[in-house]
Amino acid sequence: KAGVTQTPRYLIKTRGQQVTLSCSPISGHRSVSWYQQTPGQGLQFLFEYFSETQRNKGNFPGRFSGRQFSNSRSEMNVSTLELGDSALYLCASSTGQLNTDTQYFGPGTRLTVL
Amino acid sequence: AQSVSQHNHHVILSEAASLELGCNYSYGGTVNLFWYVQYPGQHLQLLLKYFSGDPLVKGIKGFEAEFIKSKFSFNLRKPSVQWSDTAEYFCAVRVSGGYNKLIFGAGTRLAVHP
Repeated sequence: KAGVTQTPRYLIKTRGQQVTLSCSPISGHRSVSWYQQTPGQGLQFLFEYFSETQRNKGNFPGRFSGRQFSNSRSEMNVSTLELGDSALYLCASSTGQLNTDTQYFGPGTRLTVL
Repeated sequence: AQSVSQHNHHVILSEAASLELGCNYSYGGTVNLFWYVQYPGQHLQLLLKYFSGDPLVKGIKGFEAEFIKSKFSFNLRKPSVQWSDTAEYFCAVRVSGGYNKLIFGAGTRLAVHP
């Protein structure tokens, strides 16, 4: 099975712009979660989508949003970019079965905000 | 709020030395526990996981971890490390009912010298 894929792998944006990141989960997986990884804050949960519905959300401002399509692919959007949004954004996919689920991570999208 | 602590931020070992990385979490209810590894230039990979049953779990590449409920700990061990184990190791916790929100520790950077 192919793993989790994320596009693009690298992005450079300037403050105030917006960005959209894409994630394609492992075939058959219905849950997609997003995480932000920074040297200072480590890995932090952004949100999870399951069957096109946001099922859980972390403590990030409303500038961070996402959605999931019927084929389970997910996009994450960050509006009005700030310098502090520079990070590695990781997507993880899983079957979505509660309490027995295991998340598999993609390679990430490295976002640099100038 | 739930949190995960990894006691050692940097560990340096020689090949064939034994490894133990500490992980403690703060949550009194049912949890699922995971160790992920990030090799240089690669994405997060699952090492092992604990859901229930035998508290001693074995993972890939000779790693194992022991869940000690009374100590809220899930320490990672390997009897003899290799240079190829050089990586960053992350402990993560999912609380029961928390869907797929993983709470990660800050990570431990392991360097193994030949």
